[in-house]
Amino acid sequence: DGGITQSPKYLFRKEGQNVTLSCEQNLNHDAMYWYRQDPGQGLRLIYYSQIVNDFQKGDIAEGYSVSREKKESFPLTVTSAQKNPTAFYLCASRDTLETEAFFGQGTRLTVV
Amino acid sequence: KNQVEQSPQSLIILEGKNCTLQCNYTVSPFSNLRWYKQDTGRGPVSLTIMTFSENTKSNGRYTATLDADTKQSSLHITASQLSDSASYICVVSLQTGANNLFFGTGTRLTVIP
Repeated sequence: DGGITQSPKYLFRKEGQNVTLSCEQNLNHDAMYWYRQDPGQGLRLIYYSQIVNDFQKGDIAEGYSVSREKKESFPLTVTSAQKNPTAFYLCASRDTLETEAFFGQGTRLTVV
Repeated sequence: KNQVEQSPQSLIILEGKNCTLQCNYTVSPFSNLRWYKQDTGRGPVSLTIMTFSENTKSNGRYTATLDADTKQSSLHITASQLSDSASYICVVSLQTGANNLFFGTGTRLTVIP
């Protein structure tokens, strides 16, 4: 089945730790995105990538880092510099000529 | 400033009843508008897309409308079912650019028996 897969579904992080969220797609999409979703707020863009080995900061990139070594993969690292990381994280991909974004099932990150 | 606003923020209706969700936007230059459904703890899924020249589009019990002059869209749900309980997100696209999607904050719909 074609789609976009995020893992893990739930993640717990201790104060001061870095954690990495996985995002893989087999839709052959060039563009991939990471969004953060908080209660009562719309999706906010963290990072996006249009091609391999290139990525751009979104609106709330501070405390996060990404890599795009393969077309299929766009992992997000939440660093200890992110002071309020508890949130629902969504990864998306799309064909750059289209506007429909396909989303993964999300990762809920909780700081303990 | 490009913005998308949705109302109401939340809505509770009885099973079988109809409801209408609203989306106002100031995004320009406009390309299209999509309504997404997001079940709790899941990723959003596209329900329908509206382009500049389209006024109405249906997808089963979901009917979306677009008034490009007033920059308003609505999503009408007919004969609601318990499975319609979800957040509905309005997303407006600019004509160009990789970072060209603008998200509303969503309407949380709860259908009760």
